[in-house]
Amino acid sequence: AQTVTQSQPEMSVQEAETVTLSCTYDTSESDYYLFWYKQPPSRQMILVIRQEAYKQQNATENRFSVNFQKAAKSFSLKISDSQLGDAAMYFCAYRSPYSGGGADGLTFGKGTHLIIQP
Amino acid sequence: SAVISQKPSRDICQRGTSLTIQCQVDSQVTMMFWYRQQPGQSLTLIATANQGSEATYESGFVIDKFPISRPNLTFSTLTVSNMSPEDSSIYLCSVVRPMNTEAFFGQGTRLTVV
Repeated sequence: AQTVTQSQPEMSVQEAETVTLSCTYDTSESDYYLFWYKQPPSRQMILVIRQEAYKQQNATENRFSVNFQKAAKSFSLKISDSQLGDAAMYFCAYRSPYSGGGADGLTFGKGTHLIIQP
Repeated sequence: SAVISQKPSRDICQRGTSLTIQCQVDSQVTMMFWYRQQPGQSLTLIATANQGSEATYESGFVIDKFPISRPNLTFSTLTVSNMSPEDSSIYLCSVVRPMNTEAFFGQGTRLTVV
């Protein structure tokens, strides 16, 4: 079974600065998908960014980018120019390629609570 | 993205009773899932809701406790049966659309069992 580890229960950053959230995972699969989700107090899960394991290029979405190190099984999220609205729980998640055999859901890390200091 | 309507948004229930949570999507989706998020915790997959057949449950979750229906490609229900205070959690519906890889989530149902 796959596992996802987020070793930072809480992170704090000054507004407008850059912060990096860590995520490592364990898998024996060669093909998979990785995601970062954001959960504000409203509890709505919002997709921040995704990465396909077969792609060497790191994904980028505006102020959000990842550092995907496949050999190290590491998938960190960098948030640039942090904004007050970025404050939330951030979850790293892993998914195998769809098989239809019941192993198609997401495996989540425990989450990192991101605090933005004004 | 997908528009997902999950009802109820919250409920307070007596122990020993059951609650059915509904998940309605605005368009046909390939896959539907149900997750549980215990207080202050991460999300744990309960089961995959299969259209026209029995749901596929993850380890630690059983059909008698969490019966799931999926009568068509846009709707699913999760029932939390014979509830105890330990069932107090947020329950989230999640869907994957055809040709997409990412999952989208409903707003969740916050369940409190007293």
